[in-house]
Amino acid sequence: AQSVTQPDIHITVSEGASLELRCNYSYGATPYLFWYVQSPGQGLQLLLKYFSGDTLVQGIKGFEAEFKRSQSSFNLRKPSVHWSDAAEYFCAVGAREYGNKLVFGAGTILRVKS
Amino acid sequence: GAVVSQHPSWVICKSGTSVKIECRSLDFQATTMFWYRQFPKQSLMLMATSNEGSKATYEQGVEKDKFLINHASLTLSTLTVTSAHPEDSSFYICSALDRGLGEQYFGPGTRLTVT
Repeated sequence: AQSVTQPDIHITVSEGASLELRCNYSYGATPYLFWYVQSPGQGLQLLLKYFSGDTLVQGIKGFEAEFKRSQSSFNLRKPSVHWSDAAEYFCAVGAREYGNKLVFGAGTILRVKS
Repeated sequence: GAVVSQHPSWVICKSGTSVKIECRSLDFQATTMFWYRQFPKQSLMLMATSNEGSKATYEQGVEKDKFLINHASLTLSTLTVTSAHPEDSSFYICSALDRGLGEQYFGPGTRLTVT
């Protein structure tokens, strides 16, 4: 069965500090991988995606993620967090073989302290 | 990126009534749209895949007679929650699939509260 694990429910970092949000997946096909951000009561905004090619992908707002096939991971990073980054972050996996349906992780709530 | 809208953004209805939620892709044609449900402090769970001109495909455990999906055009899918109950209160989010890119564009969500 397809699954996505985000082991950290909450993370708190100081403004200006670096950030890494973890994501591991179990999937029966070559995955497409996504990171989304959601502010309270809002929809999802795509931060970045990996389909193929370079395993280090750059996204919006200074985020990047690295696909590591051997570890089945797609961790999200940002070198310097801003207070406006406080939100909930979701990792998701999909594949054409499964009709492009997305399976989401449980989410990680990021708090930024000043 | 492409824009997907949802209407209404929030709705309150009485138990036993039906509510229709619209999902529109504004600047591209989407033969496939998805409907997700998100309970408070939880992740998104796929409810169904909406295909233009054909029946929706429901995920296991989702009642197709309760959550009616109609994808009548390439830019519009509707979700009707029939005979709503308080446990149907949730945040409903749709997405439209760009097949060429393999990417989904999400709507802003609809907050449904059943009293």
